[in-house]
Amino acid sequence: GESVGLHLPTLSVQEGDNSIINCAYSNSASDYFIWYKQESGKGPQFIIDIRSNMDKRQGQRVTVLLNKTVKHLSLQIAATQPGDSAVYFCAEKVGGNNRLAFGKGNQVVVIP
Amino acid sequence: DVKVTQSSRYLVKRTGEKVFLECVQDMDHENMFWYRQDPGLGLRLIYFSYDVKMKEKGDIPEGYSVSREKKERFSLILESASTNQTSMYLCASSTSGGRSGNTIYFGEGSWLTVV
Repeated sequence: GESVGLHLPTLSVQEGDNSIINCAYSNSASDYFIWYKQESGKGPQFIIDIRSNMDKRQGQRVTVLLNKTVKHLSLQIAATQPGDSAVYFCAEKVGGNNRLAFGKGNQVVVIP
Repeated sequence: DVKVTQSSRYLVKRTGEKVFLECVQDMDHENMFWYRQDPGLGLRLIYFSYDVKMKEKGDIPEGYSVSREKKERFSLILESASTNQTSMYLCASSTSGGRSGNTIYFGEGSWLTVV
């Protein structure tokens, strides 16, 4: 199948460096955000989430930052590894609505 | 761990054939979703279901139907497959309750080629 990473913004990162992936969300009423990682040929995998009452949340090697003022979300990956090469996309949800709105995604390529 | 299983990973069907894509989740989730994913277009919601026998249209329901006879199973049906339905299809599930924080979990995807 054709790669879902075609036509996406691409971030090339040296192995061991930190990566920052950005996402601008659209709805100021969104109160829950998720970052997904999608490797070639696989389904999206949950990485980390954050609620709108928080500015920052940390996981294992990943940190999500939320700036509600400018409707901006970022994902930071520390010490990027070859296995981090994938498409990363953000998703937002509004209150009781069970639907998520997905961003188009960013391709991350880790250079060994 | 949440497990969303799509029974067919790769299918090749002829134009006009009826196609069934099956999805099963093992976490007793109320909500189930079918998306298609195409290069440059991202994830687009076809249909979703928030309970057994309940369904709602997503953003691109034309040419598709769904069935949810049991809570754990959500089927996507292409009544008469066309070449523009060649895509990767993703099933997903989540808990309900109307609260924020209901993470959606995805299956591994089904690659459908219609010739």
